[in-house]
Amino acid sequence: AQTVTQSQPEMSVQEAETVTLSCTYDTSESDYYLFWYKQPPSRQMILVIRQEAYKQQNATENRFSVNFQKAAKSFSLKISDSQLGDAAMYFCAYRSNNAGNMLTFGGGTRLMVKP
Amino acid sequence: DAGVIQSPRHEVTEMGQEVTLRCKPISGHDYLFWYRQTMMRGLELLIYFNNNVPIDDSGMPEDRFSAKMPNASFSTLKIQPSEPRDSAVYFCASSLGLGMGYTFGSGTRLTVV
Repeated sequence: AQTVTQSQPEMSVQEAETVTLSCTYDTSESDYYLFWYKQPPSRQMILVIRQEAYKQQNATENRFSVNFQKAAKSFSLKISDSQLGDAAMYFCAYRSNNAGNMLTFGGGTRLMVKP
Repeated sequence: DAGVIQSPRHEVTEMGQEVTLRCKPISGHDYLFWYRQTMMRGLELLIYFNNNVPIDDSGMPEDRFSAKMPNASFSTLKIQPSEPRDSAVYFCASSLGLGMGYTFGSGTRLTVV
């Protein structure tokens, strides 16, 4: 079974600065998808960014980008120009392309943004 | 598109009572998932459906939990009888096909006293 590990329970960043959240995963598969979800205090789970394992190019969505290192099984999220609204729990998730369509989530990282 | 709609948003019930959580997925999505979120265990997949058919219910904790999807636009998760350890946030999510992320509902916070 695949596992997803987020080693940073909490992170903090100064407003307007850049922060990187770490994620590693364990799999024997070569074809899969990776995601980052944001959960603000409202508890709504919001998809931030998505990466296809067969693509070497790192995904980017506005201020959010990933550093995908397939060999190292690492998938970190970089948030540039941090804003107060970025404060939330962030979950890394893995989805196999072979064994159904369910997401396996990491334990989450709580991001605090200091004004 | 109204997104994934869950009801109720909050539910407080007494131990032993039956609880029914409801979900309306996004129209056209062919996968529906039920997750449970707790501080201790994080996000756990309970069950998922593909085209209204249950595919994997291995995450359902015990026989007290059951889920149905009678049609493409509605699903329920039932707990009978409820216990205090069932207290959690229950999320419903839907997706279209493979490879896409899920769209989550806003969750139901269940408190069993």
